[in-house]
Amino acid sequence: DSGVTQTPKHLITATGQRVTLRCSPRSGDLSVYWYQQSLDQGLQFLIQYYNGEERAKGNILERFSAQQFPDLHSELNLSSLELGDSALYFCASSPAERGGLRAKNIQYFGAGTRLSVL
Amino acid sequence: DAKTTQPPSMDCAEGRAANLPCNHSTISGNEYVYWYRQIHSQGPQYIIHGLKNNETNEMASLIITEDRKSSTLILPHATLRDTAVYYCIVRVVRGGSQGNLIFGKGTKLSVKP
Repeated sequence: DSGVTQTPKHLITATGQRVTLRCSPRSGDLSVYWYQQSLDQGLQFLIQYYNGEERAKGNILERFSAQQFPDLHSELNLSSLELGDSALYFCASSPAERGGLRAKNIQYFGAGTRLSVL
Repeated sequence: DAKTTQPPSMDCAEGRAANLPCNHSTISGNEYVYWYRQIHSQGPQYIIHGLKNNETNEMASLIITEDRKSSTLILPHATLRDTAVYYCIVRVVRGGSQGNLIFGKGTKLSVKP
């Protein structure tokens, strides 16, 4: 158990709909990352939040948005869903560290949410 | 972050050592080598990382060549539960809010009885 909790585990919805995926990071971790894994694209970084603020953006569509709340949990909102959005969505968290030789920079991943758009 | 090259697949007999190679010929002096694995559709799992010295933990050993252009992840006694996709990632270690991981296609390791 990584300590990162994602809900729901499975989500089935129809095209055009909107869904929200939730992530609770490990206790004390300030960074949350969202990744998408589809069969043809592999694991792709979507977006990162650090202590409530957006820190980095990857290949995230405009139809997708995310936020991190004061209690550090994060939500990924997917709207106007298309068939191609069907994928596994993973959340990861990491603690804030100083740089240097002792930093580990490990990301801990949740079990993922499997989204099926029909 | 530097690019890595891994074989797409490997087989290993149960109980034998699994040696997974990774080429990172363009690695910079401040970049570390990380290994993660993903067991079928589960979330990726951190295994080990290193800069230039060989590293060992309870899961695996990491051997980095002296020129740092390649490395090998060693699972000393592979079990069926080690069947997974193994990702070699090269990245700079950052303070504060680290950067994201860039996953390639990895090596699918199949451990056979």
